[in-house]
Amino acid sequence: EDQVTQSPEALRLQEGESSSLNCSYTVSGLRGLFWYRQDPGKGPEFLFTLYSAGEEKEKERLKATLTKKESFLHITAPKPEDSATYLCAVQAPGKLIFGQGTTLQVKP
Amino acid sequence: NAGVTQTPKFQVLKTGQSMTLQCAQDMNHNSMYWYRQDPGMGLRLIYYSASEGTTDKGEVPNGYNVSRLNKREFSLRLESAAPSQTSVYFCASSETLDQPQHFGDGTRLSIL
Repeated sequence: EDQVTQSPEALRLQEGESSSLNCSYTVSGLRGLFWYRQDPGKGPEFLFTLYSAGEEKEKERLKATLTKKESFLHITAPKPEDSATYLCAVQAPGKLIFGQGTTLQVKP
Repeated sequence: NAGVTQTPKFQVLKTGQSMTLQCAQDMNHNSMYWYRQDPGMGLRLIYYSASEGTTDKGEVPNGYNVSRLNKREFSLRLESAAPSQTSVYFCASSETLDQPQHFGDGTRLSIL
């Protein structure tokens, strides 16, 4: 069964404390993995697409990486404005499967 | 620079009432989607439209109908609302299937 699991469910960091979010998946025929950011009361905002193992993408303090079984979203020296829920989604033939998200809180 | 626009933003219905949620995108995307988001369940696909003139069922289509009115607009209809359909509904669009999807800000629907 196709499945996407994100961990941890929630993460509290101090400003400047780097960490990583995990997205593990089991799908047949991966066509891409997407990372989104969702703020309270808003729709998910697209961050990155990764297509093949070994690929990396960066944007400001965020860096996404992909292996054959999982993806990591690394957050370097986070700021309070990075607080949000981060969703990963895996594109398989005919469907996009979302994980349940990791809620990140960064305290000043 | 509107992107994906959903109306209304909030709605309260009584059980058995009908309602249509509206969605429009201005990015000239071919594909459009309707999701629901519930606590602990993540985003689940209700229906999608790969291109103008086509619609297909997603993971949770029961109790819903959709219409791809034209390339820009994709509506979701609840014919007889049930409390189990209380949720936040998101519309999304993408250039084609398999491309990154861009989401609206959702419709918060409560059914009493």
